[in-house]
Amino acid sequence: GQNIDQPTEMTATEGAIVQINCTYQTSGFNGLFWYQQHAGEAPTFLSYNVLDGLEEKGRFSSFLSRSKGYSYLLLKELQMKDSASYLCAVRDSNYQLIWGAGTKLIIKP
Amino acid sequence: GAVVSQHPSWVICKSGTSVKIECRSLDFQATTMFWYRQFPKQSLMLMATSNEGSKATYEQGVEKDKFLINHASLTLSTLTVTSAHPEDSSFYICSARSGSEVELFFGEGSRLTVL
Repeated sequence: GQNIDQPTEMTATEGAIVQINCTYQTSGFNGLFWYQQHAGEAPTFLSYNVLDGLEEKGRFSSFLSRSKGYSYLLLKELQMKDSASYLCAVRDSNYQLIWGAGTKLIIKP
Repeated sequence: GAVVSQHPSWVICKSGTSVKIECRSLDFQATTMFWYRQFPKQSLMLMATSNEGSKATYEQGVEKDKFLINHASLTLSTLTVTSAHPEDSSFYICSARSGSEVELFFGEGSRLTVL
């Protein structure tokens, strides 16, 4: 079956760095997405990786290793507004998006 | 980025009634729209995929006669929950994509409460 694993919850301190991991087992691979979702709101797009390596976008970076079925989202200089759930999603060979359950990130002052 | 608007944001209805949720792409042509359901503390669950002018493709376990999806234009898709029951209470979210573009744009979501 298809499976996306990410930690349920993480806690970090304002100003620090946090890495949220995502491992996947899917039928084929056509890209990996990270979305941010604040409570009660719809997800917003953060990043897209289809080739191995690191994609940097401001305070957020996303890494992909296709051979390991692994990705991480790195958040630097954490701000209180970064408290949210972070969803990892993989597009499989049928171009269907398979969603992880999300990682709830709690930022403490 | 592109904007997708979903309406209504909140709806409360009595059991047995039908509820329609609209999803509009405001500044691009949404050739494909997706409807998701999200229960508290759970991830998004894809309900159906609709391409403009075609019948929606429903995921396994989703009743197509209960969740009616219409995608009659490139800017509007609707989800109608027919004869809603309390177990249908959930957060319904639409997303849209233009052509072969990678990025999905999400609507704000609609929280349905069935009494």
